[in-house]
Amino acid sequence: IAGITQAPTSQILAAGRRMTLRCTQDMRHNAMYWYRQDLGLGLRLIHYSNTAGTTGKGEVPDGYSVSRANTDDFPLTLASAVPSQTSVYFCASSESVAGGNEQFFGPGTRLTVL
Amino acid sequence: GQNIDQPTEMTATEGAIVQINCTYQTSGFNGLFWYQQHAGEAPTFLSYNVLDGLEEKGRFSSFLSRSKGYSYLLLKELQMKDSASYLCAVGDSNYQLIWGAGTKLIIKP
Repeated sequence: IAGITQAPTSQILAAGRRMTLRCTQDMRHNAMYWYRQDLGLGLRLIHYSNTAGTTGKGEVPDGYSVSRANTDDFPLTLASAVPSQTSVYFCASSESVAGGNEQFFGPGTRLTVL
Repeated sequence: GQNIDQPTEMTATEGAIVQINCTYQTSGFNGLFWYQQHAGEAPTFLSYNVLDGLEEKGRFSSFLSRSKGYSYLLLKELQMKDSASYLCAVGDSNYQLIWGAGTKLIIKP
């Protein structure tokens, strides 16, 4: 059982390019999340999905989009990357959004935008 | 605004006990989580508190006081492998997690 996988592991990207970070879970979790983690800051929620077919905006959604066509996959797209999007991106999932459900994290994608 | 405060860094000795504090101000409260994150790795779940009091799980314990907006994580019999960052997160009124910046714990022999 893999849990949550993310791809790529790391990427260097030129500013202005489009990039999709992939996330797949095999736990049949309803809820999925995308966070970014920057030095000195807590994890910040970019977008989330409570169930397949629905998505919502988190704390820092600008410049990012997501889709949730099925239960397992939750890709994050940067339409036109900017240097401030240099960060480590974590995908996570939980059984549901209800309180008490721990979130399971993927290994992360380290993205550098030049 | 919503805010989670925890110390940036702490140092402790192998075999000792350390307490990592977390204070929070959030719109609503739906539980408090502690996660461990080793350098270069993903966060992993340690504990969850929703009611006041102490939850014990092996060498790790977590305490919550909702009236004070306060929690702590207690690590006993410290081992070198406990060197990591410890993240405090609170579920807000929408059940979204608000995260602290993390406490980097350094264990010295």
